[in-house]
Amino acid sequence: DAGVTQSPTHLIKTRGQQVTLRCSPKSGHDTVSWYQQALGQGPQFIFQYYEEEERQRGNFPDRFSGHQFPNYSSELNVNALLLGDSALYLCASSLYSGHNEQFFGPGTRLTVL
Amino acid sequence: AQSVSQHNHHVILSEAASLELGCNYSYGGTVNLFWYVQYPGQHLQLLLKYFSGDPLVKGIKGFEAEFIKSKFSFNLRKPSVQWSDTAEYFCAVNRVGSARQLTFGSGTQLTVLP
Repeated sequence: DAGVTQSPTHLIKTRGQQVTLRCSPKSGHDTVSWYQQALGQGPQFIFQYYEEEERQRGNFPDRFSGHQFPNYSSELNVNALLLGDSALYLCASSLYSGHNEQFFGPGTRLTVL
Repeated sequence: AQSVSQHNHHVILSEAASLELGCNYSYGGTVNLFWYVQYPGQHLQLLLKYFSGDPLVKGIKGFEAEFIKSKFSFNLRKPSVQWSDTAEYFCAVNRVGSARQLTFGSGTQLTVLP
């Protein structure tokens, strides 16, 4: 049973560029959430997708956008990258009808220079 | 907005010592509670969870946690730690009904000395 997978593992970008991160949920899950984890901190919620719609959003600017595909996989896009966007980006999957028990992927380490 | 506090930022124990990590949250309604662990170089893994019922929940690897509603707490315990328990531990809370996100604490780094 495949768990949550994310790609790429690492990414280096420069300020002002745009980036796309990808996530495939755990088999049987229909909901994908994205989190940003800065060094030394707990994950911060960015947004959640279900049925290809953004269902809830955390306190992140519009530069952060996402998409969910019919096969439940998801993308996170960040435009106009800032140095402060450097972080580990985590994808988590769950069942929308469940208790919101979320399973996390290994993350994508984004470095903005 | 809800918040989660983990007051111990770094805990250092010797093997066989007992462990208790504190977690307090601010939301007064119904919550789901979780403890996640992040071993060095690995991804976040669920240790245990509380949805309802018995406030004492048991998780993997001998960990347990007790939900005390009156204290808004969900402390993690283990009677005897091992060197392999060295990791970062995160408490997370989800407000039932109105919010879908997990709100995480800032984490506690546990170092177990052999």
